[in-house]
Amino acid sequence: EVQLVESGGGLVQPGRSMKLSCAASGFTFSNYGMAWVRQAPTKGLEWVATISYDGSSTYYRDSVKGRFTISRDNAKSTLYLQMNSLRSEDTATYYCTSGQLRWFAYWGQGTLVTVSS
Amino acid sequence: DVVMTQTPPSLSVAIGQSVSISCKSSQSLVYSDGKTYLHWLLQSPGRSPKRLIYQVSNLGSGVPDRFSGTGSQKDFTLKISRVEAEDLGVYYCAQTTHFPNTFGAGTKLELK
Repeated sequence: EVQLVESGGGLVQPGRSMKLSCAASGFTFSNYGMAWVRQAPTKGLEWVATISYDGSSTYYRDSVKGRFTISRDNAKSTLYLQMNSLRSEDTATYYCTSGQLRWFAYWGQGTLVTVSS
Repeated sequence: DVVMTQTPPSLSVAIGQSVSISCKSSQSLVYSDGKTYLHWLLQSPGRSPKRLIYQVSNLGSGVPDRFSGTGSQKDFTLKISRVEAEDLGVYYCAQTTHFPNTFGAGTKLELK
């Protein structure tokens, strides 16, 4: 059974940092691109970042470029999102999902990030 | 950025009825490899999104064949034949042809 399990969310003050993790199991993680998608409270889905299967290519939405870093450890089947200089508008549930070759086929349960003083 | 326009924003349906949702993109979604990366997702209340259709018309794993997707270039449609109670929620179209990837605003399917 495929599982994506996010962790690392919580309450953080504006300007601070937070790192999200997504542990994958049940499929060959190293074969597929992966992505982070977020959803602000009561809002729709918003793509955040994508990473290629081997980590050599990364893509970001403009509003997080230079502040967020997507990375992966294929030996640990884990995806990461390092978030720096957090803003109130980054408050959302962050989902880990599959990318290239399995676009949106797998989703985690989401982890809530609340940026507030 | 590619703008994804979904209509209608909401639908009220009776069980057993058939419905269609439209998704139009501001640019062609045909990638350089000739494939069209337009997908449909369903987010049931309180749940993570689930992929229904990928690349316009391919049914996701375990998705009932009451769901079907059609379209090309910039104009796409999701059809649900014989709506069941488990189909209620918010439907999103999404494109992964261009960066940034973008989603439609969603269509909320409710029971009449």
